[in-house]
Amino acid sequence: AQSVAQPEDQVNVAEGNPLTVKCTYSVSGNPYLFWYVQYPNRGLQFLLKYITGDNLVKGSYGFEAEFNKSQTSFHLKKPSALVSDSALYFCAVRDFGASGTYKYIFGTGTRLKVLA
Amino acid sequence: GAGVSQSPSNKVTEKGKDVELRCDPISGHTALYWYRQSLGQGLEFLIYFQGNSAPDKSGLPSDRFSAERTGGSVSTLTIQRTQQEDSAVYLCASSFRSLAGGPEQYFGPGTRLTVT
Repeated sequence: AQSVAQPEDQVNVAEGNPLTVKCTYSVSGNPYLFWYVQYPNRGLQFLLKYITGDNLVKGSYGFEAEFNKSQTSFHLKKPSALVSDSALYFCAVRDFGASGTYKYIFGTGTRLKVLA
Repeated sequence: GAGVSQSPSNKVTEKGKDVELRCDPISGHTALYWYRQSLGQGLEFLIYFQGNSAPDKSGLPSDRFSAERTGGSVSTLTIQRTQQEDSAVYLCASSFRSLAGGPEQYFGPGTRLTVT
């Protein structure tokens, strides 16, 4: 079965510094990987995804993620953090369920706190 | 355009009562998902509907949980004989069917269920 792990419950970073939120995965076959963000009192929003192609994927709000097959990682990055980036971030992988259907497995989430 | 809507936004119920949670997906989205988000936990997959196919119910935690999707649109998640451990935020998401890779999901704001 597919799975993702987010090893950090919380990440603190100073505003203007680069940020990284870590995600590792375990899949059989090609991984389809996603990042979502949950701002306070708001629903989850899609940030970016990796299906195939370039290992560096660019997404919304200046975020990007690097797919690393040898390290089975898909870390989320941003060159310069903003206070408004403070939120809960989820990594997810597409699973392949029974009967040709599919679903998504989410990590436990990492809370990002950007300090002014 | 209209996003995914869920009702009620908050529900407080007594242990042992039944509850119904509603999800209105984005028009035209054929896939619909239910997740549960408990405090300090990630997103727990519950059930997945895709068009007219049989739903993937593999995430439902017990037979007290059931869901239906009428007319390929609105979905209702029913929890019978609620228990305190059912307290959580229940999230609904919808997406287009993907021919390849994985489509991003659009999440509703959630229903916060509290069982007293």
